[in-house]
Amino acid sequence: EVHVVESGGDLVQPGGSLRLSCVASGFTFANFRMAWVRQAPGKGLEWVASVFPNGGTAYKEDSVEGRFTISRDNSKNTVSLQMSSLRVEDTALYYCAKYLGGDCSGGGCYSLDSWGQGTLVTVSS
Amino acid sequence: DIQMTQSPSSLSASVGDRVTITCRASQMTSTYLNWYQHKPGGAPRLLIYAASRLQSGVPSRFRGSGSGTEFTLTISSLQLEDFATYYCHQSYRDPWTFGQGTKVEIK
Repeated sequence: EVHVVESGGDLVQPGGSLRLSCVASGFTFANFRMAWVRQAPGKGLEWVASVFPNGGTAYKEDSVEGRFTISRDNSKNTVSLQMSSLRVEDTALYYCAKYLGGDCSGGGCYSLDSWGQGTLVTVSS
Repeated sequence: DIQMTQSPSSLSASVGDRVTITCRASQMTSTYLNWYQHKPGGAPRLLIYAASRLQSGVPSRFRGSGSGTEFTLTISSLQLEDFATYYCHQSYRDPWTFGQGTKVEIK
């Protein structure tokens, strides 16, 4: 069974930094893309960043590129999100999720089939 | 960015009702369209991927259809455990974007 568990959320002041971690199990981690998705209070879901098996990355440009860095350690089955220059609007529940992978016809592999419970980041003075 | 617009934003329905949620994309997304169910305090759950493929373990009362810019999620007979918020999600072009959500409440 697949498990995804996030940690590292905290209260931090504007301009501060924070590192989120995600540990995954139950699948061959090195073969799958992983993503961070966030949900601000009372709002919907927002994709933040993705990391590919070879370490390649993609970011939501307007919101986080240049401030957030996603990375992975395939030897430890972990994904990290290093966040700096945090803003009040970064306050959210941050979810780590696994790509479905497999058959990409029709885009099927580009969905998120296993999610954690999330870790809460609050940016406030 | 591709904007995803769901309708309605909320609805009230009874157990056994047929429920339809629509998702419209501002640009063509082929069939790179997914549906998630999200309950308060829980992890989002993948229901439908590639517009119409049922994720493993998801009941067959959930059905997805559409392609291009218009998509539909249908619940054929609403069950108590289906009361939740539903999101569409396009993975055709970065940045990925989600609809604003449709909250399904008990009438």
